[in-house]
Amino acid sequence: GAGVSQSPSNKVTEKGKDVELRCDPISGHTALYWYRQSLGQGLEFLIYFQGNSAPDKSGLPSDRFSAERTGGSVSTLTIQRTQQEDSAVYLCASTPEGGRYGYTFGSGTRLTVV
Amino acid sequence: KQEVTQIPAALSVPEGENLVLNCSFTDSAIYNLQWFRQDPGKGLTSLLLIQSSQREQTSGRLNASLDKSSGRSTLYIAASQPGDSATYLCAVQAAGNKLTFGGGTRVLVKP
Repeated sequence: GAGVSQSPSNKVTEKGKDVELRCDPISGHTALYWYRQSLGQGLEFLIYFQGNSAPDKSGLPSDRFSAERTGGSVSTLTIQRTQQEDSAVYLCASTPEGGRYGYTFGSGTRLTVV
Repeated sequence: KQEVTQIPAALSVPEGENLVLNCSFTDSAIYNLQWFRQDPGKGLTSLLLIQSSQREQTSGRLNASLDKSSGRSTLYIAASQPGDSATYLCAVQAAGNKLTFGGGTRVLVKP
């Protein structure tokens, strides 16, 4: 596609429910990244994919968070048993290779846990 | 561990003034540095990408410099306009591929 597409753009969920956030990167971009931006905070790295594998998962805050990527394309970030502190904007980015040519970000998913 | 700092945290200028935004990073072993713009409630828009071998990049009214040895980058926006009001973020990429972001500079250009 022309840009990085994320869905849904907004999600309100009840505490304890599971949510899935989707990222569709630019066609041909092999590297995909998830970041989180909490209110008033900076951008926090979550996970990096090269193809379908995730060489760096160091930013996932707890085992309630998981992500997968299939076919070297679409990625899904899943948060189980959501907590209020999970409320944030989740941003996805993709690059042609390991990021050395700049990152293109999607518009993000705003997650609100009530 | 790489740390990125942006000063000032907020900036308010009258329309027409030039903007100077500063970014510093602690580890000079970077691949590149990228400047982004973020409007309220929106994602990030890439403005300029400077490779580690480059000293500056220009696009229209925007110019970004990079001094890798001293761990600094400066974003200049000439003849500011109200539409330039946004948060500006710098981010560096080093080994391991992930970007490390600064806290951003929130800019308000008053008509």
